[in-house]
Amino acid sequence: AQSVTQPDIHITVSEGASLELRCNYSYGATPYLFWYVQSPGQGLQLLLKYFSGDTLVQGIKGFEAEFKRSQSSFNLRKPSVHWSDAAEYFCAVGAGGATNKLIFGTGTLLAVQP
Amino acid sequence: GAVVSQHPSRVICKSGTSVKIECRSLDFQATTMFWYRQFPKQSLMLMATSNEGSKATYEQGVEKDKFLINHASLTLSTLTVTSAHPEDSSFYICSARPGSAEAFFGQGTRLTVV
Repeated sequence: AQSVTQPDIHITVSEGASLELRCNYSYGATPYLFWYVQSPGQGLQLLLKYFSGDTLVQGIKGFEAEFKRSQSSFNLRKPSVHWSDAAEYFCAVGAGGATNKLIFGTGTLLAVQP
Repeated sequence: GAVVSQHPSRVICKSGTSVKIECRSLDFQATTMFWYRQFPKQSLMLMATSNEGSKATYEQGVEKDKFLINHASLTLSTLTVTSAHPEDSSFYICSARPGSAEAFFGQGTRLTVV
């Protein structure tokens, strides 16, 4: 069965420091992988996605993620965190196609301290 | 990107009443939409897949008679929480995927049952 694991429930980083959020997935075929961000009381905004091709994908707001098939991982990174990055981050996996559902990880809450 | 609009954003209702939440795809047609429920500080749990012109597909453990889903057109799906009780209080989010692209999410609906 498909599943997504985000090992870190809560992470605190200093503003300007680098960030890496971990995501591991379980999926029988080549997965479609996503990272979403959610601000309190809001819906989800897509940061980036991986479907195929280059395993290092660039997203919005300076985020990037690397797909590593051998490790079943899709970790999210940012070289320098801004205070506005404080939010909840969700990794998701799914198959392609409009009718295919996404499975979400439990999320990582990011706090940014001055 | 594609826009998914969800209404209302917040609703408070009395225990025993029913509440309807609308999810609209504004600039694309969606034969399939997805309804999620999110408890405080937790991830999104898929409730059901809404199929245009046919019955919704519910995830295991979701009461289909309590959470009525109607997908009457290619741009509108509705979720009705029937005979709501305080334990139904939650954040409900819909999404749709245009083709093979990423899912776009509504803004979410905060339901409070008093």
